[in-house]
Amino acid sequence: AQSVTQLDSQVPVFEEAPVELRCNYSSSVSVYLFWYVQYPNQGLQLLLKYLSGSTLVKGINGFEAEFNKSQTSFHLRKPSVHISDTAEYFCAVSDRTGGGNKLTFGTGTQLKVEL
Amino acid sequence: NAGVTQTPKFQVLKTGQSMTLQCAQDMNHNSMYWYRQDPGMGLRLIYYSASEGTTDKGEVPNGYNVSRLNKREFSLRLESAAPSQTSVYFCASSEFRADRGYTFGSGTRLTVV
Repeated sequence: AQSVTQLDSQVPVFEEAPVELRCNYSSSVSVYLFWYVQYPNQGLQLLLKYLSGSTLVKGINGFEAEFNKSQTSFHLRKPSVHISDTAEYFCAVSDRTGGGNKLTFGTGTQLKVEL
Repeated sequence: NAGVTQTPKFQVLKTGQSMTLQCAQDMNHNSMYWYRQDPGMGLRLIYYSASEGTTDKGEVPNGYNVSRLNKREFSLRLESAAPSQTSVYFCASSEFRADRGYTFGSGTRLTVV
């Protein structure tokens, strides 16, 4: 079975500062990894995904994430945040070997950008 | 706009009442899912349908039933609502392959009193 851990439930940061949102996963098989963003009162939107190849993945809105197989991590980063980045961020994992497309989500990290 | 449409957006039920949450997608996706979102617990899978004609239980199926009406539509039914089912419910759809992400609806906020 897969699981995803997002240790930080809330991350406050000042505008234009860098931010890192942490994600660790556990799985006995190879996985695909995803980051989703949820703005207030909206559904989730795909930010970026790691499938294979380069371990550094770039997504929308200036976000990027690095896959680290030895540490089973997929941390999300942005070098300079904006007020509009205030949202909840979810890490998710999918089993590469099984059929279908079931995602297991972490509990989310609330990013609050302050002036 | 193409995407996943959920109805209703808000609902208040009394304990014991029943209701059906509707979900439709127009992206010709094979798979559809129902999640509930609760504070501090992330998204938990209730039921999913890998393809038309099939449904399977997820992590938290008790108290719910689903129907995959056709390839486009996947409904979630609460037969006898309980306060513990107060939550935000999201429907999502995807291609069958595991490397594809989901497209989410905008959610249904359900309160059971």
